[in-house]
Amino acid sequence: DQQVKQNSPSLSVQEGRISILNCDYTNSMFDYFLWYKKYPAEGPTFLISISSIKDKNEDGRFTVFLNKSAKHLSLHIVPSQPGDSAVYFCAASERTNAGKSTFGDGTTLTVKP
Amino acid sequence: DAGVIQSPRHEVTEMGQEVTLRCKPISGHNSLFWYRQTMMRGLELLIYFNNNVPIDDSGMPEDRFSAKMPNASFSTLKIQPSEPRDSAVYFCASSIGLGTQYFGPGTRLLVL
Repeated sequence: DQQVKQNSPSLSVQEGRISILNCDYTNSMFDYFLWYKKYPAEGPTFLISISSIKDKNEDGRFTVFLNKSAKHLSLHIVPSQPGDSAVYFCAASERTNAGKSTFGDGTTLTVKP
Repeated sequence: DAGVIQSPRHEVTEMGQEVTLRCKPISGHNSLFWYRQTMMRGLELLIYFNNNVPIDDSGMPEDRFSAKMPNASFSTLKIQPSEPRDSAVYFCASSIGLGTQYFGPGTRLLVL
């Protein structure tokens, strides 16, 4: 049973436009959510996180939205840049479980110049 | 800071051989995680340590896999004997506090 799902394996957007990456989870015990970015031949890099007590967190061009009732979160990148082209992983954890995170399968974002 | 260091970066071995992957976490981090990434299963957690103590090894696929953390600055993941289905990229990550993990560059393992 996959507890964190990223249903879109890939996404292509034009430079300057908005990129929206989606993630769904099934475990209602998850209370902390993260997005990681991964370039080829590198490890995932932490991008942004959100606690379940919030519904939005913003960091520069990146904003994460959390809809707890729908068990859904999304990452918005505005404006998208070619350097944002990477695989984006959604992850979820229970803060009481010492940081053990469950990852989605990832979405490959391509930003075209 | 040097970040999480993993060695080797690439490993090619024959079925039945022992494989040892190494990880040096970021100094001051008190949690260490071993992940495996494959096309079929994505990024899956194998085991994680907190303050050098294994907390959850439920992701370790079978007894052929073992992990140790003898001190706060070093961990190993050993596969003995290795099999072709163990071919994957193995990531080590470390963290301080909860949730945010810093990943190493990974070890790409190929078992022939």
